[in-house]
Amino acid sequence: QSVLTQPPSASGTPGQSVTISCSGSSFNIGSNTVNWYQKLPGTAPKLLIYSNNQRPSGVPDRFSGSKSGTSASLAISGLQSEDEADYYCAAWDDILNGVVFGGGTKLTVL
Amino acid sequence: QVQLHESGPGLVKPSETLSLTCTVSGGSISSYYWNWIRQPPGKGLEWIGYIYYSGSTNYNPTLNSRVTISLDTSKNQFSLKLSSVTAADTAVYYCARRLPRTPQYCSGRSCPLAFDIWGQGTMVTVSS
Repeated sequence: QSVLTQPPSASGTPGQSVTISCSGSSFNIGSNTVNWYQKLPGTAPKLLIYSNNQRPSGVPDRFSGSKSGTSASLAISGLQSEDEADYYCAAWDDILNGVVFGGGTKLTVL
Repeated sequence: QVQLHESGPGLVKPSETLSLTCTVSGGSISSYYWNWIRQPPGKGLEWIGYIYYSGSTNYNPTLNSRVTISLDTSKNQFSLKLSSVTAADTAVYYCARRLPRTPQYCSGRSCPLAFDIWGQGTMVTVSS
């Protein structure tokens, strides 16, 4: 069982918007920033969002992140077929003294 | 363009030590944190630990007693050793670089522990 909780699945149709949640505690999300990764099958994870809401160079502005209290969200607007992937949230955990990941959310573009 | 490449045996016997190396090309290994992360088949990502270019380390407490991460700056490589492996250690192992601790990414003294560059991953199976 993962320290950070994500819904196992999410879906949407092309052009729609979808939001993926990530729930933690005061020891991780509540006191540290959240990062999001996109993982396509057979490829390495790709950093999508760091520091709650910052996009690395090259990541489309269709992807956005937010954090409130002990929860964070990844929003994807204008869904495209190539967005079909697994998405993981991650944060530092002050109790475990390490990085913890969510269990991942499989996004299906219908 | 910095690139990472994992190498090592794809099959390890139970109770033995898993050894992997990550070669950093296109840039220096200095001034960064270097990480190992794994993904068991059908499961999520798990952080294993990191090493700073100075040699300081931090490991996932669930693996702490079995993990050693080391650095060879002369070869621009860092390595992972995981002892007493079992089938539960079967996974794709990734090496990854932490985002640079520069003003571009940090807010004051707070810098994100996010992984911006990853190797392609290497599958390691633990089986007799």
